[in-house]
Amino acid sequence: AQSVTQPDIHITVSEGASLELRCNYSYGATPYLFWYVQSPGQGLQLLLKYFSGDTLVQGIKGFEAEFKRSQSSFNLRKPSVHWSDAAEYFCAVYGSGNTGKLIFGQGTTLQVKP
Amino acid sequence: NAGVMQNPRHLVRRRGQEARLRCSPMKGHSHVYWYRQLPEEGLKFMVYLQKENIIDESGMPKERFSAEFPKEGPSILRIQQVVRGDSAAYFCASSPTGSGTDTQYFGPGTRLTVL
Repeated sequence: AQSVTQPDIHITVSEGASLELRCNYSYGATPYLFWYVQSPGQGLQLLLKYFSGDTLVQGIKGFEAEFKRSQSSFNLRKPSVHWSDAAEYFCAVYGSGNTGKLIFGQGTTLQVKP
Repeated sequence: NAGVMQNPRHLVRRRGQEARLRCSPMKGHSHVYWYRQLPEEGLKFMVYLQKENIIDESGMPKERFSAEFPKEGPSILRIQQVVRGDSAAYFCASSPTGSGTDTQYFGPGTRLTVL
């Protein structure tokens, strides 16, 4: 069965520092992968997605992610974090069988220190 | 262009009452998904609907929960005889087709509290 693991529940970084959020997936075929961000009390906003092609994908707000098939990973990165990036981040994979459902990881809460 | 709308944003029910959560998809979207987020957890898929059809309800609890997406009007997630364990945030998402390459756009969620 498909699954997504985000090994880090909480991460704290200083403003201006670089960021990497880890995501590992379990999926038999070529996965469709997503990163979403959720601000407190809000819904989810799509940061970026990967379907095929270039394994380095660019998203909104200066985020990027790299698909590594050999490591079953899709880590999210940002070179310089802003205080407004403090939020919860979810990695997701599209479930098989064209059912439409997304399978989410547990989420990583990002705290940004001034 | 309005996004996905959900109402109410907050809902308080006593044990045994019914909860009705509404979701209006983005204009032009005919596919709706419901997810539940329990405290300190990620989102879990519940059900996927197309107009007047349930496509996948593999994540729905077998009892007390039902969903519909009528030809006219919003999608409704209905929870009968709520229990404390139903307290969660319920998110609706919509997409123009059911393809895996579609982006699912999420609403702001309904936060259900069961007393």
